[in-house]
Amino acid sequence: QKEVEQDPGPLSVPEGAIVSLNCTYSNSAFQYFMWYRQYSRKGPELLMYTYSSGNKEDGRFTAQVDKSSKYISLFIRDSQPSDSATYLCAMSALRDDKIIFGKGTRLHILP
Amino acid sequence: ETGVTQSPTHLIKTRGQQVTLRCSSQSGHNTVSWYQQALGQGPQFIFQYYREEENGRGNFPPRFSGLQFPNYSSELNVNALELDDSALYLCASSLSTSGNEQFFGPGTRLTVL
Repeated sequence: QKEVEQDPGPLSVPEGAIVSLNCTYSNSAFQYFMWYRQYSRKGPELLMYTYSSGNKEDGRFTAQVDKSSKYISLFIRDSQPSDSATYLCAMSALRDDKIIFGKGTRLHILP
Repeated sequence: ETGVTQSPTHLIKTRGQQVTLRCSSQSGHNTVSWYQQALGQGPQFIFQYYREEENGRGNFPPRFSGLQFPNYSSELNVNALELDDSALYLCASSLSTSGNEQFFGPGTRLTVL
């Protein structure tokens, strides 16, 4: 079993819809959880960063962490065509530890 | 504030050659990590440098080596290139005291023929 599992998609949704992206993980030591957005042929851009369980909101983005289920989610409200990208979940056990990434989910927002 | 920069943007090498990739950290950051991202995959951790010392290494062979300089810029060296080394190489910088918020550069795309 891989440490981090993420459905690669592609996921296509109409503009304005709510998008739900998810990852599961197997390592209970993970405490730091991140979501990155990566446009084609670019480096990943940090979107959300959370520590331990709970919710975090930033504009149209909400990150949720459920450590008991080893499950994290990213919600995008009022999705826009400019949100079309690959979304990578990532996590680490310690503050200055290596980050383990999921494979990424390709998201297409249809105008 | 200057972001993370990497050079070159693209590189084509042949099998068996050696390559050096360069990274300049974001201003004020003292930690740099290198990742390899194959097509359709998430980035894989190669190693991390903190204050010029290697501070963790992923599952990569010794022909992948690195350096960090006093100004916190960094190099990734790969010897004896193999076809499977073709990938996007990403550098990420962070400030060790601020948690694991790593900021990535645009990457160097390496093609090995």
